Amino acid sequence: TQLLEQSPQFLSIQEGENLTVYCNSSSVFSSLQWYRQEPGEGPVLLVTVVTGGEVKKLKRLTFQFGDARKDSSLHITAAQPGDTGLYLCAGVGRGSTLGRLYFGRGTQLTVWP
Amino acid sequence: EAQVTQNPRYLITVTGKKLTVTCSQNMNHEYMSWYRQDPGLGLRQIYYSMNVEVTDKGDVPEGYKVSRKEKRNFPLILESPSPNQTSLYFCASSFGTSGVEQYFGPGTRLTVT
Repeated sequence: TQLLEQSPQFLSIQEGENLTVYCNSSSVFSSLQWYRQEPGEGPVLLVTVVTGGEVKKLKRLTFQFGDARKDSSLHITAAQPGDTGLYLCAGVGRGSTLGRLYFGRGTQLTVWP
Repeated sequence: EAQVTQNPRYLITVTGKKLTVTCSQNMNHEYMSWYRQDPGLGLRQIYYSMNVEVTDKGDVPEGYKVSRKEKRNFPLILESPSPNQTSLYFCASSFGTSGVEQYFGPGTRLTVT
């Protein structure tokens, strides 16, 4: 069973469109992270959200952590071909699971010029 | 340059032949972890270490061993590799002990025949 459900699994859009990726769980996490992975490389951290309801912006990317700290979303405005990649959400365990990192299966985003 | 290095990057081996994948970080990070990435399953945590001489199991520890004798190194040992351990492996490290904001290595593609 996957602790974090990420949707959609694949997303293919035209340059300039907006999109949202969702990351949902029934578990509470101490924080949630979003990574981006290019082919042949390791994931690279984009952002960490810690507080329930927190919103962080990174240029055209907006990240939100749910009030109950169980879910998160990534919204991209006016997508560009350079945004193409695999986006991964990861929940950080707490209490007895501190140190554990639980990844969603990822969203493969392709932005066409 | 701050980085996580893994060796080898590519390895083809036969069932039962013991192997070690090395991981080293030069950022003086407390936390280190190993993951495997498989199509359709995403990234799954194998083992993690919150400090020297402290290691804990992740989601899929069966068939793997690790050790953390010094802060910078965290080798992954496969005592008797099997074909179901064919995968892409990533090592990661982070400053704190909780595993937040991890830096990933470039990956090791392992094939067991």
